[in-house]
Amino acid sequence: DVKVTQSSRYLVKRTGEKVFLECVQDMDHENMFWYRQDPGLGLRLIYFSYDVKMKEKGDIPEGYSVSREKKERFSLILESASTNQTSMYLCATRRDRVHGYTFGSGTRLTVV
Amino acid sequence: AQTVTQSQPEMSVQEAETVTLSCTYDTSESNYYLFWYKQPPSRQMILVIRQEAYKQQNATENRFSVNFQKAAKSFSLKISDSQLGDTAMYFCALNAGGTSYGKLTFGQGTILTVHP
Repeated sequence: DVKVTQSSRYLVKRTGEKVFLECVQDMDHENMFWYRQDPGLGLRLIYFSYDVKMKEKGDIPEGYSVSREKKERFSLILESASTNQTSMYLCATRRDRVHGYTFGSGTRLTVV
Repeated sequence: AQTVTQSQPEMSVQEAETVTLSCTYDTSESNYYLFWYKQPPSRQMILVIRQEAYKQQNATENRFSVNFQKAAKSFSLKISDSQLGDTAMYFCALNAGGTSYGKLTFGQGTILTVHP
């Protein structure tokens, strides 16, 4: 089974800090995604990547950037954390359209 | 643009009974995939069932089955013989082709509680 590992389960950061959320997969999947999950809004796509050094904006990219230097690692960066970025962040990987996504267990980020 | 709507924020059911979660979607694509994901309190998202739009037969996975109504753009999930372990948030999701290739669009989620 594909394993998707997010480095932190809970994270508390201060407003204005630069925050890195790390995601690592142990299979050779090209597609990786970052979502944020908020009550009543479901999951919303922030950024995704189809290959190394390749990235595309999702639906809500403002205030975020990403990095994919190696195929197995996809990092989400909050350039200057704000309280409205307090949320659950989920990383996912995908083999192909038919099989859907495999998710990490999420990072609950609180910005104070 | 593609959208997914789950109109039931919360539902509850007694153990061993059957419950149906509703989902409607919209897309202009003809080739798409629909999914139901389960997120228990552990937060790990788990794929429950998938449906390919070009297949008329409704997908079934053990106690989980879907009612896929393509013309009505409806994709409901039926859970039979509900168990306490089914307590979770359930998300309906759509993967359409075209310019949104690869992107999963999620509904708002339905919290299901199974009571003993």
